Formats: sequence, structure tokens, C-alpha cells
Amino acid sequence: TQLLEQSPQFLSIQEGENLTVYCNSSSVFSSLQWYRQEPGEGPVLLVTVVTGGEVKKLKRLTFQFGDARKDSSLHITAAQPGDTGLYLCAGGGINTGTASKLTFGTGTRLQVTL
Amino acid sequence: DAGVIQSPRHEVTEMGQEVTLRCKPISGHDYLFWYRQTMMRGLELLIYFNNNVPIDDSGMPEDRFSAKMPNASFSTLKIQPSEPRDSAVYFCASSLWPNYGYTFGSGTRLTVV
Repeated sequence: TQLLEQSPQFLSIQEGENLTVYCNSSSVFSSLQWYRQEPGEGPVLLVTVVTGGEVKKLKRLTFQFGDARKDSSLHITAAQPGDTGLYLCAGGGINTGTASKLTFGTGTRLQVTL
Repeated sequence: DAGVIQSPRHEVTEMGQEVTLRCKPISGHDYLFWYRQTMMRGLELLIYFNNNVPIDDSGMPEDRFSAKMPNASFSTLKIQPSEPRDSAVYFCASSLWPNYGYTFGSGTRLTVV
């Protein structure tokens, strides 16, 4: 069974601060996806990384896939209240039979206050 | 496109009753997934379909759960009989290329009393 551990579980910061969320596993993944979920809604895809060592930037968000494709990080610069939500990483299986299945991480709940 | 559409948004039922959750995927998406989310266990995959065929149902908790996809635009998840421990938010998601991302519906919050 592939497990994805996220840290920290909870994060409460003030507007303007920087933060990093980590997603770690002992398993190798074919891809690593990050989602953000707001209360009462389903997760929304932020980014997908597929190559070991890959770095993607979306405005103030920077995503990195580990060289061994076992871990990932999400860095937010100058956090805003609109960044508040549950951040989930999700890994795609490495084998043909599991590549379509996403295993979701334990989640990081972020609150950004004024 | 209206996205993935789930109904109902909320369902409250008594223990022992049958519950049916519905999902309309995004047109053209060949993959459909049913997930369950709880505080204790997070998001768990229950079952997924490819081209309307169930591919992996290893996550279905027990025989009380069943899922069907009679055509490319509709899927159901049925629980019969329902139990209080089934209370959770159930999400449907669809995808064209799963390795590149899913689109989730807004979920059905199920409460079994």
C-alpha cells in the first residue's frame, strides 16, 4: 500500500508570510499532483509534476518533485487569506495497473489571517 | 462544461435504508472515480471505471456497497443497507488522463442516523 504523509498537518500564519508543505512517501510515483479543497467543495487540481527534480511555478506557488519521485513540496510566498484551505498531495501508481489510481496524502490545513 | 455533477448534495437517512448517490462526469472523460472522505481516514478510493467498465473495486468496504456505470454520462453508488459508520462525504471525479489530474464534483454529504 502506498502511503503519502504530509507535514505539517495544520498551519496558521499571517498574511505576507511564506510557508512550505511537505509530502513524503517510501514509494515511487509516476506523477505527483497537488489539490486545494475549500469547505463544502471537492478538491481542485493546482498542478501535476511528472519528472524527478521538476519544479513548477504558479504565481506565488512553487511545486517541486523529488529526484527519486518519492516526495514533493509546495512553497507559498507572501500568503494571502485566499490561500486558506486544505492542501492535498496525490500520487499516481508506478505500475500499469495502478497508474490511473491516485493515493491521496493526509492533508495540510492552512489558515491565513489578516 | 458544467463540470462533474453530483446529486444530492446532502442526504440524511436512517440506518438500514438504501442510499443512492449519483454522478454525471465531464463529457469525454473516459475515467470515473468514486472516493469517500472522512476526518479519520482522509480521501479513500472506492472504485473506478474506464469506458464504463469497473476496473478496480478493491476499495469498496463491503458487499453493502455497489457501483454501476450504465453509460458514459452517468454513474451511481449504492449503499444497502446503510449504517452510521457510512457517514462521510462521497466524491465523484472524472478524468481524461488520470496521471495528469482529476476533476472532482462538489460531493454528497451522507449522514446515517
